[in-house]
Amino acid sequence: GQSLEQPSEVTAVEGAIVQINCTYQTSGFYGLSWYQQHDGGAPTFLSYNALDGLEETGRFSSFLSRSDSYGYLLLQELQMKDSASYFCAVRIYAGNMLTFGGGTRLMVKP
Amino acid sequence: DSGVTQTPKHLITATGQRVTLRCSPRSGDLSVYWYQQSLDQGLQFLIQYYNGEERAKGNILERFSAQQFPDLHSELNLSSLELGDSALYFCASSVELAPSYNEQFFGPGTRLTVL
Repeated sequence: GQSLEQPSEVTAVEGAIVQINCTYQTSGFYGLSWYQQHDGGAPTFLSYNALDGLEETGRFSSFLSRSDSYGYLLLQELQMKDSASYFCAVRIYAGNMLTFGGGTRLMVKP
Repeated sequence: DSGVTQTPKHLITATGQRVTLRCSPRSGDLSVYWYQQSLDQGLQFLIQYYNGEERAKGNILERFSAQQFPDLHSELNLSSLELGDSALYFCASSVELAPSYNEQFFGPGTRLTVL
């Protein structure tokens, strides 16, 4: 089976940097993806890492270490609109099916 | 707007009943995924269809079934409903161009309340 661990809640101040960690145990691994979900909204894609290292997209970066079965999402210059839930998800075979973690609720305070 | 549509937006029904949730994928996407999200829970993958065929199965109960039609829209059927089936049900779609990863685009969801 698959299991993913991420913190349930993180609080940070506007303008700060926050890192959301994700560790996983899977029977197969093709990559790690991150999705954002605002309250009452649909999940939206943020990033995907198949190889070790850091991928940067604007204020958001995502990191993967396959040997450590670990990844993180880094959010810089936090804005109030970044308050949302963030889910890591693993791709365990060559198709696009994802197994999601329980999500991390990020609260950004002024 | 992701381009994925789901109907209805809200559904209230009683225990023991059967409901059908509908999803239309983005134009050009052949894969459809169904997820269940209970209150304060993560996204539980239920099932995936690709071009009309079942591709992958997750934690889908035997009381639940799905299909994808020739026009690529999909329906999720939930029967003998229980209180615990109350949840937000999302449909997502993607192209399927393995081995590359193709992001999933989620619809707005159907909120099911079982009374």
